[in-house]
Amino acid sequence: AQSVTQLDSQVPVFEEAPVELRCNYSSSVSVYLFWYVQYPNQGLQLLLKYLSGSTLVKGINGFEAEFNKSQTSFHLRKPSVHISDTAEYFCAVTSYNNNDMRFGAGTRLTVKP
Amino acid sequence: KAGVTQTPRYLIKTRGQQVTLSCSPISGHRSVSWYQQTPGQGLQFLFEYFSETQRNKGNFPGRFSGRQFSNSRSEMNVSTLELGDSALYLCASSARGVNTEAFFGQGTRLTVV
Repeated sequence: AQSVTQLDSQVPVFEEAPVELRCNYSSSVSVYLFWYVQYPNQGLQLLLKYLSGSTLVKGINGFEAEFNKSQTSFHLRKPSVHISDTAEYFCAVTSYNNNDMRFGAGTRLTVKP
Repeated sequence: KAGVTQTPRYLIKTRGQQVTLSCSPISGHRSVSWYQQTPGQGLQFLFEYFSETQRNKGNFPGRFSGRQFSNSRSEMNVSTLELGDSALYLCASSARGVNTEAFFGQGTRLTVV
């Protein structure tokens, strides 16, 4: 079974600063990886996904993530954050034969003016 | 294209009662997955339905059940409610399964008193 660890429960950052949200996964098979964002009282919105191919994945709202198989990581990055990026971010993992998507505990990103 | 619709958005029930939540997936999507989100346990997979058949099941007691209709709409039922069932219940819709891409509804906030 796969699992995901988000290394930071909270990340405070100032507006226009860069940010990295860290995610490590564990799996015995090839994985598919996702980042979702959740705003208060809302569902989850897909930011980006890695299924195969290029290890650098670009998503919506200026976010990108890099799949690193040797380090079993899939960190999310944004070069310059906005106040509106304040939200909860979830890393998730699954695989080609497994529809049971496992989520990390989430990272609360707070962007301060 | 309409998104994933979950009804109702908010629900208050008493311990011992039962509850039914509804999810209408994106048109053409045949897979519906359900997740429970709580502050303590995070996002946990309940079950997945594909073409009216339960394809995967998470580690929840038998009080949690679901079904899917021929139009892909899905319902989940929780019987004999406990205080610990208070949570945000999220439904995810996908074409073939969440391992490729999943679209989430806004969720149903269930409070058990």
